[in-house]
Amino acid sequence: GAVVSQHPSWVICKSGTSVKIECRSLDFQATTMFWYRQFPKQSLMLMATSNEGSKATYEQGVEKDKFLINHASLTLSTLTVTSAHPEDSSFYICSARDPQGARGNTIYFGEGSWLTVV
Amino acid sequence: QQQVKQSPQSLIVQKGGISIINCAYENTAFDYFPWYQQFPGKGPALLIAIRPDVSEKKEGRFTISFNKSAKQFSLHIMDSQPGDSATYFCAPKGSGYSTLTFGKGTMLLVSP
Repeated sequence: GAVVSQHPSWVICKSGTSVKIECRSLDFQATTMFWYRQFPKQSLMLMATSNEGSKATYEQGVEKDKFLINHASLTLSTLTVTSAHPEDSSFYICSARDPQGARGNTIYFGEGSWLTVV
Repeated sequence: QQQVKQSPQSLIVQKGGISIINCAYENTAFDYFPWYQQFPGKGPALLIAIRPDVSEKKEGRFTISFNKSAKQFSLHIMDSQPGDSATYFCAPKGSGYSTLTFGKGTMLLVSP
């Protein structure tokens, strides 16, 4: 079964509102989680790396004030898209690193969350 | 600079045939070479991975071939099935707690 759970699977929100996506590790404590964005027929683009108890590290070009990431516990990270606009519509995917995995290589992905801003 | 080049962009294979997807990389610090499989509307899932101390790894119908000197690795899917139709990504990473570097993906369609 899934070891990383994302919620919601899909969400529609009005332009200007904020929406929160949750990412949970189910069978392990994830000290590091990652957030990706994926447009149709394109690859995954890393948005930020989230470390439990500290500020997220954002990739170049990603607005940290727009995409708020919180990693308050070892099993939960959240991505909040603030003041969403239609161009933020995308597939958002989280992943989590299992620290017990081999040499930091065990990374599990969630099922993704479709965001549509209307 | 594109660190990972994946080819082909798309691939159509008849059922029972062999699907081959290639990945070339630049970063010699990479030491973990996975392939991920992604179905439409789903997150990617690890399919198979190899470390640079071996040249080949086989798991069922899936094989990774690794050529360290050429900085390339490939995914071979034997006896391809319609259920293998998906997008495949190579995503090598460096040691320790570095991040995955995704290729642009290959859309595989296995025709019945």
